[in-house]
Amino acid sequence: QVQLQESGPGLVKPSETLSLTCSVSGDSINSYFWNWIRQPAGKGLEWIGRVYPSGTTNYNPSLKSRVTVSLDTSRDQFSLKLTSVTAADTAVYYCARGPQAGNSNTWYFDSWGQGTLVTVSS
Amino acid sequence: QAVLTQPSSLSASPGSSPSLTCTLRSGMNVGTYRIYWYQQKPGSPPQYLLRYKSDSDKQQGSGVPSRFSGSKDASANAGILLISGLQSEDEADYYCMIWQSNAVIFGGGTKLTVL
Repeated sequence: QVQLQESGPGLVKPSETLSLTCSVSGDSINSYFWNWIRQPAGKGLEWIGRVYPSGTTNYNPSLKSRVTVSLDTSRDQFSLKLTSVTAADTAVYYCARGPQAGNSNTWYFDSWGQGTLVTVSS
Repeated sequence: QAVLTQPSSLSASPGSSPSLTCTLRSGMNVGTYRIYWYQQKPGSPPQYLLRYKSDSDKQQGSGVPSRFSGSKDASANAGILLISGLQSEDEADYYCMIWQSNAVIFGGGTKLTVL
């Protein structure tokens, strides 16, 4: 059973870059898309973006100019970089798996990390 | 106008069968979308419940009880999550989701309270 674990700084200063890593264990990182999703306290979910082992990426248009999602298959990890952060970027950040490429029945997020709280504050 | 609109809250009694709605923005046709539903309990990540596009294109999440089901109301341009025989453990936040142009859109979520 696949497991995902987020890691990274819990506090980032305004205007700096938020960097998180998701470590994947229990299954191959190949053949799936890998996603970042965030949730401000007491609010709803916001999809940030995804990466496929081929290097293909897709991003939320509202964040695209500030986001980079990348994958390191040798380490079974994928990462999020969000630049020029403000207080509005304070949220719990989740990494999640899905879909499996070429399988239209898997277009959902089937495995999630527990989430990591990132606070943007000076 | 948000792409997906959900009521912020809903209360229902144990044993009842509440319907949670997910209304698509005007100009979008609910018939063309697969609507995905997730359940989130406090302190935990969301869990996939099911997908519904039509009776011939639907999917139940692994281990999800059959009392959770999906449907659509074309006249309201909405996807529906029906919970039959509501139980106290169903108290949670529920989110709908669609894919649009290789991007994911979530609804704002409905907080379901079991009275």
